[in-house]
Amino acid sequence: ETGVTQSPTHLIKTRGQQVTLRCSSQSGHNTVSWYQQALGQGPQFIFQYYREEENGRGNFPPRFSGLQFPNYSSELNVNALELDDSALYLCASSFPDYGYTFGSGTRLTVV
Amino acid sequence: EDKVVQSPLSLVVHEGDTVTLNCSYEVTNFRSLLWYKQEKKAPTFLFMLTSSGIEKKSGRLSSILDKKELSSILNITATQTGDSAIYLCAVIGNTGNQFYFGTGTSLTVIP
Repeated sequence: ETGVTQSPTHLIKTRGQQVTLRCSSQSGHNTVSWYQQALGQGPQFIFQYYREEENGRGNFPPRFSGLQFPNYSSELNVNALELDDSALYLCASSFPDYGYTFGSGTRLTVV
Repeated sequence: EDKVVQSPLSLVVHEGDTVTLNCSYEVTNFRSLLWYKQEKKAPTFLFMLTSSGIEKKSGRLSSILDKKELSSILNITATQTGDSAIYLCAVIGNTGNQFYFGTGTSLTVIP
């Protein structure tokens, strides 16, 4: 149990659909980051939210969007799903200057 | 472009062996380097190394940061089957809003 909870654990979607992934962080962790990990690769940074504002973005198109809520939960939304979006999506939260704590991830399969 | 390179990509050893995993980085305004162990989904935190803490040890695992060579090693002595996992190296710069991950080293320890 890492203190960071993600849902759902697995998800299958059809190309072109939209998906919302959820993350619940520990109280006080006001920074949340989302990563995409394709098979055999290290996690790739999607974006980070700090106090409900986007605070940095990786090399992902605008159809990847996010929200962070006052209760330390957050969402990752992906529109117009493509086959290459199939991956493990990891949420990580942190206090400043501490390493991230990762959730168990959501395995997304796009068919 | 900021990047992190890990080697080897994969490694198979026998129980009791000692292994050394490598991580080299090119990151603007380096701040910290972290090692994670990923068994199934959530990467779990092992060590964080910074300019003020360049060597860390925990049980059979130890890590050293070489700021001159822009690299780090993770040593595991007396390996056990439970050490089988992907070991990820991540580096963060002073922007502080994203970790750059390597592709990981897949370690398999056979009895």
